[in-house]
Amino acid sequence: DGGITQSPKYLFRKEGQNVTLSCEQNLNHDAMYWYRQDPGQGLRLIYYSQIVNDFQKGDIAEGYSVSREKKESFPLTVTSAQKNPTAFYLCASSIHGTGHTGTEAFFGQGTRLTVV
Amino acid sequence: KQEVTQIPAALSVPEGENLVLNCSFTDSAIYNLQWFRQDPGKGLTSLLLIQSSQREQTSGRLNASLDKSSGRSTLYIAASQPGDSATYLCAVLKYNFNKFYFGSGTKLNVKP
Repeated sequence: DGGITQSPKYLFRKEGQNVTLSCEQNLNHDAMYWYRQDPGQGLRLIYYSQIVNDFQKGDIAEGYSVSREKKESFPLTVTSAQKNPTAFYLCASSIHGTGHTGTEAFFGQGTRLTVV
Repeated sequence: KQEVTQIPAALSVPEGENLVLNCSFTDSAIYNLQWFRQDPGKGLTSLLLIQSSQREQTSGRLNASLDKSSGRSTLYIAASQPGDSATYLCAVLKYNFNKFYFGSGTKLNVKP
């Protein structure tokens, strides 16, 4: 089955640690995204990538880093510089790398990150 | 910047009612609008996609309309069921960008 796989489902981070969230898609989509969701709030864009080896900052990129070395993979690292990392993280993809009518977003099942 | 607003934030209805969820956006220069469903602790499931040239889309008991000029979309759910209980989010894909802008969602509770 085609889809987006995020792992792990739950992740616990100690103060000062970096952690990496995995996102893999087998949909052959060009574009991939990372969103953060906090209770009662909409999704906020962290980073997005329109094509392999290229990515752009979203609205809340501080304290996060990404890479896009393969079309199917877009890992997100939450660094120690992110002061409030506890949240639900969602990865998404869309077929087109540039804006196009009919571009539909597909989501993974999310990773819940908790600072302990 | 594109702002997306969803009203109401929460809605509780008895089973069988027809209901309408609202989504408004400030910039009408969009490629499309997408409605999602999110169950607690889960990812988003796409329900309907309306392209900018379309006025509405239907899937089963769901009907979504789009009025781009007024910056509004509605999601109509017919004959609601307890299984429809979830949070519903709308998102727009802004013209000339490749970013989706989301509303904060409407949390729906359908009581048996």
